[in-house]
Amino acid sequence: EVLLVESGGGLGQPGGSLRLSCVASGFTFSDHYMDWVRQAPGKGLEWVGRTRNKANAYTTEYAASVKGRFIISRDDSRNSLYLQMNILKPEDTAVYYCVRPHSDTWSGSYFDSWGQGTLVTVSS
Amino acid sequence: DIQLTQSPSFLSASVGDRVTITCRASQDISSSLAWYQQRPGKAPTLLIYAASTLQSGVPSRFSGSGSGTGFTLTISSLQPEDFATYYCQQLTSYPITFGQGTRLEMK
Repeated sequence: EVLLVESGGGLGQPGGSLRLSCVASGFTFSDHYMDWVRQAPGKGLEWVGRTRNKANAYTTEYAASVKGRFIISRDDSRNSLYLQMNILKPEDTAVYYCVRPHSDTWSGSYFDSWGQGTLVTVSS
Repeated sequence: DIQLTQSPSFLSASVGDRVTITCRASQDISSSLAWYQQRPGKAPTLLIYAASTLQSGVPSRFSGSGSGTGFTLTISSLQPEDFATYYCQQLTSYPITFGQGTRLEMK
């Protein structure tokens, strides 16, 4: 069974930083691309970004709203995904989900597994 | 960016009803569309991918169709557990985008 467990959410200050983690189990983590998706309170889903696997040089993609502020990384030895959130803004307040694309092709990149989410609140 | 517009945004229906949700893309995305269900307080779950392929374990009352710029999600006979919010998602180019959601409520 695929399991994704996020942690690290909480209260962050505007202009500050937070780091989210996601520990994966039940599949070969190193083979998969991994993504972050967020959902502001009462709002819809917003894709945050992606890290590719080692075969694709761990390259990353980001939504325009977070590019230059957020960094996605991974540690395959720990089956872990990270989201370093810098220069936090109130509009970054959301539940952040760790998600697994089914495969590394566009046709297979739908999200077949989601974590339970971790809430980040940005407020002074 | 590819914009996805769902209609309606809110839908009121009864158990046993047949309902259809539409998702329109701002440009041709072939069949690279997925549908998700999100119950209150829970993470989304995958229903359909490649526009019409049912994810394993999803009841057969759910179906998807369409290609290009127009897609539909149909629930043939609503069950109590189907009252939730539904999102479409395009998987053609970055940034990956979602529709704004359709909230399905019990009449």
